[in-house]
Amino acid sequence: GQNIDQPTEMTATEGAIVQINCTYQTSGFNGLFWYQQHAGEAPTFLSYNVLDGLEEKGRFSSFLSRSKGYSYLLLKELQMKDSASYLCAWFHTGGGNKLTFGTGTQLKVEL
Amino acid sequence: GAVVSQHPSRVICKSGTSVKIECRSLDFQATTMFWYRQFPKQSLMLMATSNEGSKATYEQGVEKDKFLINHASLTLSTLTVTSAHPEDSSFYICSASMTGAYEQYFGPGTRLTVT
Repeated sequence: GQNIDQPTEMTATEGAIVQINCTYQTSGFNGLFWYQQHAGEAPTFLSYNVLDGLEEKGRFSSFLSRSKGYSYLLLKELQMKDSASYLCAWFHTGGGNKLTFGTGTQLKVEL
Repeated sequence: GAVVSQHPSRVICKSGTSVKIECRSLDFQATTMFWYRQFPKQSLMLMATSNEGSKATYEQGVEKDKFLINHASLTLSTLTVTSAHPEDSSFYICSASMTGAYEQYFGPGTRLTVT
């Protein structure tokens, strides 16, 4: 079967670093996306990993281990505006370029 | 670049009526568009994949006669919720991808409320 899991909620302090994990069990895996979604809005693209390793983009980094079926999103220097839901999604070309989303992690940044 | 719009942003309709939602790629051609549904505090669930000029591919459990999808051009796909019921109330989001690209660009979503 296909399964993708994330923690439901996380809380962190402004200025800190937080890591959001995503594990998956799928067939036909081709890559993993991370999206940010504020309440009532559409998701916005953060990162895409195809190969193992770390991709860095400013305050956001994403890591992938294909052999372990594991990814994480790292957010540095947290700001209040980073309070949002973070969705990982795996991409499979065999199914018409579809994305299958995880349950999403609701991150709350506190002072 | 890569902007996707949806119309309307919010709609309220009575039970039994039909509602049409439009998804447009404004500055690129999208051979493939996707329709998602999201219930409160839940993740996005793919409903169907829409390819220009061909029939949509529906995910398991999604009624194709209830959720009519038309992808008439490379910049427009429509989702019609027919005979809407209160349980169809949800946030409907479309996305579009360029030919040969993996990334999906999401529209701002449509909040449907069926009374």
